[in-house]
Amino acid sequence: AQKVTQAQTEISVVEKEDVTLDCVYETRDTTYYLFWYKQPPSGELVFLIRRNSFDEQNEISGRYSWNFQKSTSSFNFTITASQVVDSAVYFCALEYNNNDMRFGAGTRLTVKP
Amino acid sequence: EAQVTQNPRYLITVTGKKLTVTCSQNMNHEYMSWYRQDPGLGLRQIYYSMNVEVTDKGDVPEGYKVSRKEKRNFPLILESPSPNQTSLYFCASSLRGTGYGYTFGSGTRLTVV
Repeated sequence: AQKVTQAQTEISVVEKEDVTLDCVYETRDTTYYLFWYKQPPSGELVFLIRRNSFDEQNEISGRYSWNFQKSTSSFNFTITASQVVDSAVYFCALEYNNNDMRFGAGTRLTVKP
Repeated sequence: EAQVTQNPRYLITVTGKKLTVTCSQNMNHEYMSWYRQDPGLGLRQIYYSMNVEVTDKGDVPEGYKVSRKEKRNFPLILESPSPNQTSLYFCASSLRGTGYGYTFGSGTRLTVV
């Protein structure tokens, strides 16, 4: 069965701290795609990153970085030097089987000034 | 601008009063889907459509109907809404089989009293 687990329900940090959001997935498919979405207080879903199952290279985009490890079925997201504007709910998602997508339960990140 | 448009953004209704949430995309996407988001549960798929006149149940289809008469439109119908359908709803679309994830609408916050 396809499954995405975000074990951290809520995380609270102080501004400028680094924070890592964990994501563990399960799938039997050999071809799949992993995503992170951000949901700010306004409610919309903002795409952050996409990774396919054949590309285990880590990625960095400004203060954001992602660590994809197939050996542990994890796709973790790190925010360096967090800012108040990073406060949001973050969703990890797994796309498989020709468009089916399964989401984790989300992690609510609060960054305090 | 490529987008998925959902209406309305907010809706308060009474138990049993039929309602329709509209969804339209302008990207000629074949795949469209409806999700509901509830605290602690992430996004769960209600129904999806692989193409015109092709729809199928997702994980939580009870109490909902959909139709796909045109490629661009995928309305969500609640024939007899109940309070447990109070939720945040998202419509999404995607090119079939590409693994590029979804384009999401802005969400519809529904309250059934």
